[in-house]
Amino acid sequence: DIVMTQSPDSLAVSLGERATINCKSSQSVLYSSNNKNYLAWYQQKPGQPPKLLIDWASTRESGVPDRFSGSGSGTDFTLTISSLQAEDVAVYYCQQYYSTLYTFGQGTKLEIK
Amino acid sequence: EVQLVESGGGLVQPGGSLRLSCAASGFIFSSYWMHWVRQAPGKGLVWVSRINTDGSSTTYADSVKGRFTISRDNAKNTLYLQMSSLRDEDTAVYYCARDPSPGKGGVGYWGQGTLVTVSS
Repeated sequence: DIVMTQSPDSLAVSLGERATINCKSSQSVLYSSNNKNYLAWYQQKPGQPPKLLIDWASTRESGVPDRFSGSGSGTDFTLTISSLQAEDVAVYYCQQYYSTLYTFGQGTKLEIK
Repeated sequence: EVQLVESGGGLVQPGGSLRLSCAASGFIFSSYWMHWVRQAPGKGLVWVSRINTDGSSTTYADSVKGRFTISRDNAKNTLYLQMSSLRDEDTAVYYCARDPSPGKGGVGYWGQGTLVTVSS
């Protein structure tokens, strides 16, 4: 199975500041035939199901604020929130869908400093 | 509007069985692969299983292989998860989820989840 490892496990950032979450996969999730990274990011707020934010490592879903961005390729990926808002407090997960066995990272809890 | 509504959760003893259902609406159910994802209390997301559009192909996480069976009834727009030989560590909220729209990646739509508690 592809193991997804996020860092840090938790993060406290001041309002308006940048938040950066990293995700590393145990093997590449870049599919060479289409040059796409099979990597998604999700946001989960307390008591709610996850919400898909970004797919293909860097494509924002419709309605997701542009302060959220994804980058990276191969095995190393980053989710960046350019200017943290109060409503961004949540747990963030990366997920690979390269393998038939999908796997998630352990999650990163984002709080306000 | 895509809606996924899970049901069937509850308290079950270790070694017991339970069947979860997920009623789908707002889209052509038979056109999408479907998934089950679980989340133990206070823990992270764990993908459990997926099924293709006609039910002919299924995949399972190693932790549930041989104990859980995913299935679907396209005439009833319903996804199922038959769980047997349940263990304490199967205690979790179980989410039904749908593949994203064509051309998109990840898991696009999620239900609100149903809680399964395995305890004596």
